[in-house]
Amino acid sequence: DAKTTQPNSMESNEEEPVHLPCNHSTISGTDYIHWYRQLPSQGPEYVIHGLTSNVNNRMASLAIAEDRKSSTLILHRATLRDAAVYYCTVDSNYQLIWGAGTKLIIKP
Amino acid sequence: EAGVAQSPRYKIIEKRQSVAFWCNPISGHATLYWYQQILGQGPKLLIQFQNNGVVDDSQLPKDRFSAERLKGVDSTLKIQPAKLEDSAVYLCASSLEASGFYNEQFFGPGTRLTVL
Repeated sequence: DAKTTQPNSMESNEEEPVHLPCNHSTISGTDYIHWYRQLPSQGPEYVIHGLTSNVNNRMASLAIAEDRKSSTLILHRATLRDAAVYYCTVDSNYQLIWGAGTKLIIKP
Repeated sequence: EAGVAQSPRYKIIEKRQSVAFWCNPISGHATLYWYQQILGQGPKLLIQFQNNGVVDDSQLPKDRFSAERLKGVDSTLKIQPAKLEDSAVYLCASSLEASGFYNEQFFGPGTRLTVL
């Protein structure tokens, strides 16, 4: 099964862009990459997903390396409400493989 | 659209006692998941249902954990007897279906279990 590796924590200033990296070097060719985030005392919520091409939605952008062994979640302008644990997951055989996530701290 | 509902939100029990959690998924979602999330870790899948059939329960400690999804809608997860290491947040999630290229899961708020 594919595994994901992320930094334990990252800090960013409010209203600045944030780049959250993830390594998934054992990913298979048909496995989708999903990002979820978990606010304190809540269940995870979907952020974005992709397979090969870079993806954009109203919440974030996802940049996927050409070899698909890594990806980066980009928050274009972080706010205090974006403080959460961000999980990079791989959809392998229709199951999400979760790592420990990155705790994002936003400084006002 | 109503989200995934779970109850109770919090539960404190003593070791060797029994406990049950309830989940009501989003209407029309065929797939239901139960996860265990220990403090500081990502969610760990315990069991996955497709309608009322089990797709994967390979990480469910079957000597003490059981789950059912009657009529393919609501689900209950039971622990009997509980151990100290079962202290965690139990998350329920649902998705339209498990197959296909897209598998967005919608999570409930979770049940925080403390075993004393």
